[in-house]
Formats: sequence, C-alpha cells, structure tokens
Amino acid sequence: AQSVSQHNHHVILSEAASLELGCNYSYGGTVNLFWYVQYPGQHLQLLLKYFSGDPLVKGIKGFEAEFIKSKFSFNLRKPSVQWSDTAEYFCAVRRGGSQGNLIFGKGTKLSVKP
Amino acid sequence: AAGVIQSPRHLIKEKRETATLKCYPIPRHDTVYWYQQGPGQDPQFLISFYEKMQSDKGSIPDRFSAQQFSDYHSELNMSSLELGDSALYFCASSRERVKRDEQYFGPGTRLTVT
Repeated sequence: AQSVSQHNHHVILSEAASLELGCNYSYGGTVNLFWYVQYPGQHLQLLLKYFSGDPLVKGIKGFEAEFIKSKFSFNLRKPSVQWSDTAEYFCAVRRGGSQGNLIFGKGTKLSVKP
Repeated sequence: AAGVIQSPRHLIKEKRETATLKCYPIPRHDTVYWYQQGPGQDPQFLISFYEKMQSDKGSIPDRFSAQQFSDYHSELNMSSLELGDSALYFCASSRERVKRDEQYFGPGTRLTVT
C-alpha cells in the first residue's frame, strides 16, 4: 500500500531562517505529488503540485519543492520564512494518471518565532 | 471564485445519534471526496463519488454512508455516533476529465460527539 512519510513532526524556526520539510513516499509507479498547508482553524490549501516535467516546482507564497524520483522524495523548501508561515504542512500523494484519493503524510507543524 | 461549501460548519451530537454532513462542490466539478481528520491527525480518505456513483472507498465505517445527488452535491450520513467520530470532516471536489487537476478542499465540518 502507498504511504507517505514526513520526518519532522514539529519544526521551530526564527523569522528569515530557511526551511526544508522532508517528504518520502512509497509507490513504484507514476505519482502526482502535492503539498498542502493548513493554517490554524482553517481548511487545507494547496501550496504546490507536481505531475510531470521540471522536477523543481514553484508554488505560492515563495514555497518550492523538488521531486527526486530516485529517492522517492518531494521536499518542501522556502529560503526565508515569515511568522505568517506558522501552520501545519501536509505532503500528499496520488497515483499518477488516476483521479483517486490523496494519501497524506502525518503533517509537520511549523512554528515561526517573530 | 466559488469554493467548496460544507454545511454545517460545526455540529454537536450525542453518542448514538445520527448526523448528516453536506458538501456542495465547485460548479462543474463532477467528483467529490470525503476525508476525516481526527485531532492532531492527518486527513484520512473515507469515500469518493464520480458522476453520482461511488468511485472509491477508504476507511469509512459501516455506520457511515454517503451519496452524490443529481446536482453533484454530496451528503455523508453518520449513524450510531461514537466519541471517536469527533473530527473535522473535509469534502473536496475536482474535475475527473482534467488530468492535472487538484482537489479543492472545503472548510470542513467540525463534528463533536459528547
């Protein structure tokens, strides 16, 4: 069965620090990859997505992610975080070519200190 | 732009009661997904519908049922509620024929079972 692993449960950073959140998935076939953000008390919002092509994907709010097929990874990065980035971040996987459900990682809570 | 609408936003029920959650997808979206997110947990896929037919089934208890209607809205019916059913229930919608489409999430219904 597919699974998604997010290595960091809780990350605490100061403003302007760089961010990298790890995400690994287990599925041998083609996948679609997503990062969602959930601000406190709010619903899931899409940060970025990867379907094919350039493995470096740019999303909203200065976030980017790199798909490394050989490592089954899709790590999220941001060069300089802001206090407003405090939220929970979920990596999600869907089998490529299908319209099936998303499989989410456990999430990483990011706390940015002002 | 129109978003996914869920109602009610908050619901409090007692054990053994029933609850009905409603989801109105974005116009022209033909696929609806239901997810359950327990406190501090990642969203777990429950069930999905495409063109009013069940398309996939996840970890949905037998006490729950769902359907999609002719106007594409969906309802999740929950019976014999248990304390463990307390969670945030998200609905998401997408367009089946758009290969690179993402799932758009609604704000969720927070169900509390007492």
